[in-house]
Amino acid sequence: QVQLVQSGAEVKTPGASVEVSCKVSGYTLTQLSMHWVRQAPGKGLEWMGGFDPEVGETIYAQNFQGRVTMTVDTSTDTAFMELSSLRSEDTAVYYCATTSSLYYFNFWGQGTLVTVSS
Amino acid sequence: DIQMTQSPSSLSASVGDRVTITCRASQSISTFLNWYQQKPGKAPKLLIYAASTFQSGVPSRFSGSGSGTDFALTISSLQPEDFATYYCQQSYSNTYSFGQGTKLEI
Repeated sequence: QVQLVQSGAEVKTPGASVEVSCKVSGYTLTQLSMHWVRQAPGKGLEWMGGFDPEVGETIYAQNFQGRVTMTVDTSTDTAFMELSSLRSEDTAVYYCATTSSLYYFNFWGQGTLVTVSS
Repeated sequence: DIQMTQSPSSLSASVGDRVTITCRASQSISTFLNWYQQKPGKAPKLLIYAASTFQSGVPSRFSGSGSGTDFALTISSLQPEDFATYYCQQSYSNTYSFGQGTKLEI
């Protein structure tokens, strides 16, 4: 069984960057396709990007192109999501999630609240 | 990008009711459609994948149907634990997208 444990809540000022981590256990990261999904307060789920095994690279949602970077450290089985040039609208809970071979999200982290406020 | 539109946005129902939530894709996605349930403060939970296949452990009162652009999630007899928000998600394109959610309320 895959377990995903995310880093703790963050408070950032506008214009700053934030990095959220997601530690994998139960599997190695090389066996998984990792994605990031966010949810603003009271709003729906928004896919930010993730690894596409068919093309062998990370695909980013158009809304985040140029502002988001998703990386992995296979030595520690930890995935990272960095979002830069933060604005108040980026206040949200950020989830890491893995996809199955049929491309549904099967395992989720517990979520990390990022608050952007001056 | 493929847009997913759910209806209704919210729904009031009672225990024992049969309810249906619909999801429409902006282009054909075959059966690459998944449904999730989310309760407040929790991560989403997969209910159905590939439009109509149950995730292990999901009660049989949940069912999914559809293909192409039109899909539905039906709960045959609502239980108290079913009051939550439901999302559809397409995995046809490698730029995934979710519907805006349907909040099921008492």
